[in-house]
Amino acid sequence: QKEVEQDPGPLSVPEGAIVSLNCTYSNSAFQYFMWYRQYSRKGPELLMYTYSSGNKEDGRFTAQVDKSSKYISLFIRDSQPSDSATYLCAMSHTDNYGQNFVFGPGTRLSVLP
Amino acid sequence: ETGVTQSPTHLIKTRGQQVTLRCSSQSGHNTVSWYQQALGQGPQFIFQYYREEENGRGNFPPRFSGLQFPNYSSELNVNALELDDSALYLCASSLWTGLVNNQPQHFGDGTRLSIL
Repeated sequence: QKEVEQDPGPLSVPEGAIVSLNCTYSNSAFQYFMWYRQYSRKGPELLMYTYSSGNKEDGRFTAQVDKSSKYISLFIRDSQPSDSATYLCAMSHTDNYGQNFVFGPGTRLSVLP
Repeated sequence: ETGVTQSPTHLIKTRGQQVTLRCSSQSGHNTVSWYQQALGQGPQFIFQYYREEENGRGNFPPRFSGLQFPNYSSELNVNALELDDSALYLCASSLWTGLVNNQPQHFGDGTRLSIL
C-alpha cells in the first residue's frame, strides 16, 4: 500500500460545478496536510494548509481533514476554466531524523466552459 | 517579496555525468527542500536542509547530495547520472521555527533534467 493515495482522474466537469478531490493515507504520524495546484510546466502552488481535523475555508476552496479515517479532501465551488490543473495532496511529519514530506500522485482536473 | 528561483530551467546530460542544480529560497525562509517529479507523478521528497545541515531525507541513494549556504540558498548535486534521473527537479523553501514547523513550503518552477 502506498503511503498516500489519490484519486487519479482525470476529472472533467462543467464550469460552475462543485469539485471534490480526495486523498487517503496510511501513516498516522502525518501532522500537516496541504493541497497544491500545479499548472503545466510550473511548480506546485500552495492552495490550502492545515494541521488539524475539520474544515478550513478560503474563498472558493474548502479543505477537509479527518485524521481518524486518514482521509483528506479539497472542495472547489463554482469551478472555473482557470482551475484546470493538476491537484496534489501532500502531508508531512517530523521525526528524529528530521522532516519528511509525501505527495500524492495528483488528480488532473479539466473545467469545461 | 521574492519567490523561489531555480537555475537552470532546462539541462541535458549524458549517463555517468554529474550535475549541479541551484535554488534561491524565498526571502524570509531558512529551510530548503528538494524534490524529484517524474512525468505524470507527484513530487518525491529527496531531502531538506536547515542551518546548512540535512534535516530529513527521502528514499534516494547517496549519489544525490546537497548543500545549503549561509544565505539559505541551496544546491542539489547528482553524481553518476542514470537514465531514470530524467525528471523535473523542484526546490521548495519554508520558515522553520525550531519548535514546530507550522509554515508551509513554497515551490520554484523547477529544473527539467534530461539524461541521454
